[in-house]
Amino acid sequence: DIVMTQSPDSLTVSLGERATINCKSSQSVLYSSNNKNYLGWYQQKPGHPPKLLLYWASTRESGVPDRFSGSGSGTDFTLTISSLQAEDVAVYYCQQYYTTPPTFGQGTKVEVK
Amino acid sequence: QVRLVQSGAEVKKPGASVKVSCKASGYTFREFYMHWVRQAPGQGLEWMGIINPIGGSATYAQQFQGRLTVTRDTSTSTVYMELRNLSSEDTALYYCVRDSGYGEYLMYFRHWGEGTQVTVSS
Repeated sequence: DIVMTQSPDSLTVSLGERATINCKSSQSVLYSSNNKNYLGWYQQKPGHPPKLLLYWASTRESGVPDRFSGSGSGTDFTLTISSLQAEDVAVYYCQQYYTTPPTFGQGTKVEVK
Repeated sequence: QVRLVQSGAEVKKPGASVKVSCKASGYTFREFYMHWVRQAPGQGLEWMGIINPIGGSATYAQQFQGRLTVTRDTSTSTVYMELRNLSSEDTALYYCVRDSGYGEYLMYFRHWGEGTQVTVSS
């Protein structure tokens, strides 16, 4: 199984400041035939199921604010919230879907300073 | 709009089985694979298995082989997850999740049910 490791485990950021979450996979999730990274990002707020934010590492899901962006390729990826809002307080997960079973990172908790 | 409505919370004793249902609506059931993902209290997300809505074939994560069965009823657009020989480690919120691929599985997840709490306690 591909192991997904996120850093940091938790992050405290002031409102309006940038938040950066890293995700590393134990093997590449870049499929060479289509040049796509099989990597998604989710946001989970307490008492709710996860919400898809980004897929193919950097494609924003419909309705997701453009302050959320994704970057990276191969084994190293980043989720950036350019200007943290109060409603962004949540746990964020990366997920690879390059192989079965799909696997998730352990989560990064984002809080407001 | 896509809706995935799951059955209610369950409390089971160790060694028992649980069967959770997930009724889908708002799209053509046969066109999208369905998954089950669970989340233990305060923990991360764990993929359990996938079912092909047309033929009904299912694939399971290695750690659930032999005690997990996922089935579907196309006449009611419902998917079922049965987990047997429960232990306290199976206490979790169980989500049914629709795949994002049309007619194929991509394994990233746009639509989630609200979750069904399963508690295993003696």
